[in-house]
Amino acid sequence: SQTIHQWPATLVQPVGSPLSLECTVEGTSNPNLYWYRQAAGRGLQLLFYSVGIGQISSEVPQNLSASRPQDRQFILSSKKLLLSDSGFYLCAWRDKPYEQYFGPGTRLTVT
Amino acid sequence: AQSVTQLGSHVSVSEGALVLLRCNYSSSVPPYLFWYVQYPNQGLQLLLKYTSAATLVKGINGFEAEFKKSETSFHLTKPSAHMSDAAEYFCAVSAPRGANNLFFGTGTRLTVIP
Repeated sequence: SQTIHQWPATLVQPVGSPLSLECTVEGTSNPNLYWYRQAAGRGLQLLFYSVGIGQISSEVPQNLSASRPQDRQFILSSKKLLLSDSGFYLCAWRDKPYEQYFGPGTRLTVT
Repeated sequence: AQSVTQLGSHVSVSEGALVLLRCNYSSSVPPYLFWYVQYPNQGLQLLLKYTSAATLVKGINGFEAEFKKSETSFHLTKPSAHMSDAAEYFCAVSAPRGANNLFFGTGTRLTVIP
């Protein structure tokens, strides 16, 4: 069966520091991969999605970036965090149309 | 373009009462529709999905939803609320062909009163 992992589970970072969040999927190949953000009391905001290695689509221009160095690995990065980057970051994958399956999330607090 | 509207950001029901969470969609093509549940500090879990087969869809934990094309609705129901149903619920829509993404509603927080 398929499983999706995210780490770290929680993270507290100062403004201006770099960020790297990792997501890996097991038990499937060539999945679509997604990064979402939930700000406090808000819905899901799609940040990036990827249909294959090295293929990244950005939905929202901001100081975040994403990379997919391996088939089942998706990384969310920032060079300099802003206070507004705080939130709950969710990774998701999809193989068959069209449901997505979500990871446990990373709680990021920027101080 | 696809979008969903969830009416009511907060819904409270008594334990044992009917749960009704509303979702209306907008889609230029016949949609696929989904309900997800999110417990505090966890990821989203798929409750059920409509993919153009039966219009009444049964999901996990006793939830079901009915696709009504004439009303462009996909409301989520459960006959008897349980304390463990307290969570946030998200409706989502996708186009059935060539679409990579889901479009989510803003969510409805369900509170169950003992």
